[in-house]
Amino acid sequence: GQQVMQIPQYQHVQEGEDFTTYCNSSTTLSNIQWYKQRPGGHPVFLIQLVKSGEVKKQKRLTFQFGEAKKNSSLHITATQTTDVGTYFCAGGSNYKLTFGKGTLLTVNP
Amino acid sequence: DSGVTQTPKHLITATGQRVTLRCSPRSGDLSVYWYQQSLDQGLQFLIQYYNGEERAKGNILERFSAQQFPDLHSELNLSSLELGDSALYFCASSVDGGADTQYFGPGTRLTVL
Repeated sequence: GQQVMQIPQYQHVQEGEDFTTYCNSSTTLSNIQWYKQRPGGHPVFLIQLVKSGEVKKQKRLTFQFGEAKKNSSLHITATQTTDVGTYFCAGGSNYKLTFGKGTLLTVNP
Repeated sequence: DSGVTQTPKHLITATGQRVTLRCSPRSGDLSVYWYQQSLDQGLQFLIQYYNGEERAKGNILERFSAQQFPDLHSELNLSSLELGDSALYFCASSVDGGADTQYFGPGTRLTVL
């Protein structure tokens, strides 16, 4: 079945440093979604990408969808303490959404 | 607020017992998903329902069962509970149950003593 791998599993940064998490699928995706789960909270939808090579920005967050539609990345510029949490990617294929295991980001103030 | 409600928020019970978790999807959403999240673990997909019918099954134990009712709310039944079943259980809903956006509820934290 479809697998979605996400790396790294954990990332600790100093406030102000950049952060990137990567998502790779074993199959071509119809779309990729990103979610954020704050500590003690539930996953919240951030964004969806559907086109090959698509890049979307939300303030300091940049989301990319690979040309082959099998990988994606989330880059945060100049992290802040409010960015802490687990970031999940979720790949859509065959009318099904498969979540990666997530990257836990901690930020040292 | 995602519009997905889950009850109860917390549940403490003993090994061997049976519990029922309840989820009401967002208005208009036909599909409901159940996930288990243990400490330091990702989201383990358990089961999905669409308009009352089971659509997909993940790593759901035989001791666990679920159903979706005509009013589209869903219940997850966990029986013969073990210590290892202690986890956060999330319900999510989506409009058509495909690869569309999922909206998560606040979760039920289950503690088995």
